[in-house]
Amino acid sequence: DAKTTQPPSMDCAEGRAANLPCNHSTISGNEYVYWYRQIHSQGPQYIIHGLKNNETNEMASLIITEDRKSSTLILPHATLRDTAVYYCIVRLLNYKLSFGAGTTVTVRA
Amino acid sequence: ETGVTQTPRHLVMGMTNKKSLKCEQHLGHNAMYWYKQSAKKPLELMFVYSLEERVENNSVPSRFSPECPNSSHLFLHLHTLQPEDSALYLCASSQDTGKGGETQYFGPGTRLLVL
Repeated sequence: DAKTTQPPSMDCAEGRAANLPCNHSTISGNEYVYWYRQIHSQGPQYIIHGLKNNETNEMASLIITEDRKSSTLILPHATLRDTAVYYCIVRLLNYKLSFGAGTTVTVRA
Repeated sequence: ETGVTQTPRHLVMGMTNKKSLKCEQHLGHNAMYWYKQSAKKPLELMFVYSLEERVENNSVPSRFSPECPNSSHLFLHLHTLQPEDSALYLCASSQDTGKGGETQYFGPGTRLLVL
């Protein structure tokens, strides 16, 4: 699976959009981009995933660049409950889901 | 609520005890996973079951023994653990389409403390 690079931390104001970047310059054509988050001491929560096209669901939007070397997770209106560690994962559709250090997002009132 | 439940949520055990962690998924999935998350470390995949057969065992010590009696239930039997085994143990499930597991959904975890 390709390696990802994320900023270690970022702050966001409540009610504003949070844009979380992820670099995956070695991604191969059949690898998906997945995003999970983990609120302190809870299990990881699936957010969204995509292959080539941008994706949107009730939680977030995923924007993947045309060359697929980077992506951005957008939380449209951040709330205090969105404070968590966000993991960007590039993977094949196999059993392996490798979590890195992620980005610690702190939403401030 | 992800449809994956784990019991107990917290467990304290001595090194000579035997205990079991239980996971149940209500999503109709056919693959289940055990992960370990130690303090300040990334999640580590321990075991994978697909269609009730173990398909991965990532060099986990034999003091951890998984059991998957059916596609909805997964157990992790623990015996003679060490203090360094203290961690958050997470269960996940997914729908295996034959190409490998798809999106994995996690339970809340069992926080284990070994004294």
